[in-house]
Amino acid sequence: RKEVEQDPGPFNVPEGATVAFNCTYSNSASQSFFWYRQDCRKEPKLLMSVYSSGNEDGRFTAQLNRASQYISLLIRDSKLSDSATYLCVVNTFSGNTGKLIFGQGTTLQVKP
Amino acid sequence: DGGITQSPKYLFRKEGQNVTLSCEQNLNHDAMYWYRQDPGQGLRLIYYSQIVNDFQKGDIAEGYSVSREKKESFPLTVTSAQKNPTAFYLCASTRTPLDEAFFGQGTRLTVV
Repeated sequence: RKEVEQDPGPFNVPEGATVAFNCTYSNSASQSFFWYRQDCRKEPKLLMSVYSSGNEDGRFTAQLNRASQYISLLIRDSKLSDSATYLCVVNTFSGNTGKLIFGQGTTLQVKP
Repeated sequence: DGGITQSPKYLFRKEGQNVTLSCEQNLNHDAMYWYRQDPGQGLRLIYYSQIVNDFQKGDIAEGYSVSREKKESFPLTVTSAQKNPTAFYLCASTRTPLDEAFFGQGTRLTVV
């Protein structure tokens, strides 16, 4: 079983739609969580951190469910510019070593 | 401006040759990471380092080697033992093991 799993998609949605991605992680000791966005042939860039209380940034909302070991990303009112791959990232820290693990990514294609 | 610099952006090598990819950061970050990304795939962890003169193997370390002689530098050597080295290589750093990662622009290695 992979440490971090995502549905690779692709998710094809019309402009204005609401779309949600989920990500599950296997290590219950994981301590920090993030969503990254990656455009084609570019490096990943931080979209938002994910907190236990949930957090919102404009049209984007991230949630963490520690009991079920999953995180989610909700995008409201999708724009054409939201088309990208969204990567779930989990950081597990043990002793003095931290390990940053990425999911395989979920591809979103927003269509006019 | 602070950031992570990877060089070169594109690299071509003949099969059987070792090649070293450069990664330098001036963010004063403690932790550094190397990932490999194949087309349509997520990021897979090769090596990571939390402090100078210490590093750990990731999930796909075979055929790679690293060093961390200075805090700001974490070069990756792709050896001839790596069976399929053609890929997009990404270097990242984090301020502490639990913080978000910042990425360099990546190096596209093609072995012919």
